[in-house]
Amino acid sequence: DVKVTQSSRYLVKRTGEKVFLECVQDMDHENMFWYRQDPGLGLRLIYFSYDVKMKEKGDIPEGYSVSREKKERFSLILESASTNQTSMYLCASSLFGTSTGELFFGEGSRLTVL
Amino acid sequence: GDSVTQMEGPVTLSEEAFLTINCTYTATGYPSLFWYVQYPGEGLQLLLKATKADDKGSNKGFEATYRKETTSFHLEKGSVQVSDSAVYFCALSRSSNTGKLIFGQGTTLQVKP
Repeated sequence: DVKVTQSSRYLVKRTGEKVFLECVQDMDHENMFWYRQDPGLGLRLIYFSYDVKMKEKGDIPEGYSVSREKKERFSLILESASTNQTSMYLCASSLFGTSTGELFFGEGSRLTVL
Repeated sequence: GDSVTQMEGPVTLSEEAFLTINCTYTATGYPSLFWYVQYPGEGLQLLLKATKADDKGSNKGFEATYRKETTSFHLEKGSVQVSDSAVYFCALSRSSNTGKLIFGQGTTLQVKP
C-alpha cells in the first residue's frame, strides 16, 4: 500500500523559530511536493522537487525553503516562522512521467505559530 | 494564468439526495482534470479524473464529464450517503510529466441522515 508519511500531525511554534516539516514516501516516486491548505484558498504549491537535490519554486515560496537529500525524503523549512504561516501543510508525491497526474498525499501537518 | 473555480460551500444535503458541485477552469492547452476528496482528518485522495474533452471520469458512484466548450468539470452523484461527507477539490494539471496541479478552493459537503 502506497504511503506518504508526515512526521508531525500538530505543531505549535513561536514567532521567529526555525521549523522543519518532514515528509517520507515509500513508493520510489521521483516527484515530491509541498502544498499549503487554507480555508477558502484551497491548496497552493510552495515548492516541488523532481529529483534528489533538485527543487523548483511553486506559487508561494516566500518564507520557505526545502531540502531533498534522499529520494524518499522531502523537507520543508521555515527559517523564521511568522503568524501568517499558521496553516495546514500537505506533502505529496507522484511518479515522474506519469500520464495520470495522480498525487499521493500525506495526512497533513497543522502548524500554529504564536 | 491557469485557475480553477469551485462553487462556494458548505453544501448540506439529506441522505439519498442528488449532488452537484460545480467546477470551471481557465487554462491554456488541454489540461487533465481531477476531483480529489479529503475525508475528516485525512489527506487528499484521487476520486476521479478525465484526460481529454468529453471524457467521463467515474468512481464510487461519482461522475464528472470534461466539457471543453463550457470549460467545466462538474461533480455529480445520484444518491449521497452520510459517508460522503468530506471536502471536495477540483484540480487541473499544468503538465502531466511533473504532476503539478492547480486546485480549486474546495467545497465542503455535509450529508445528514
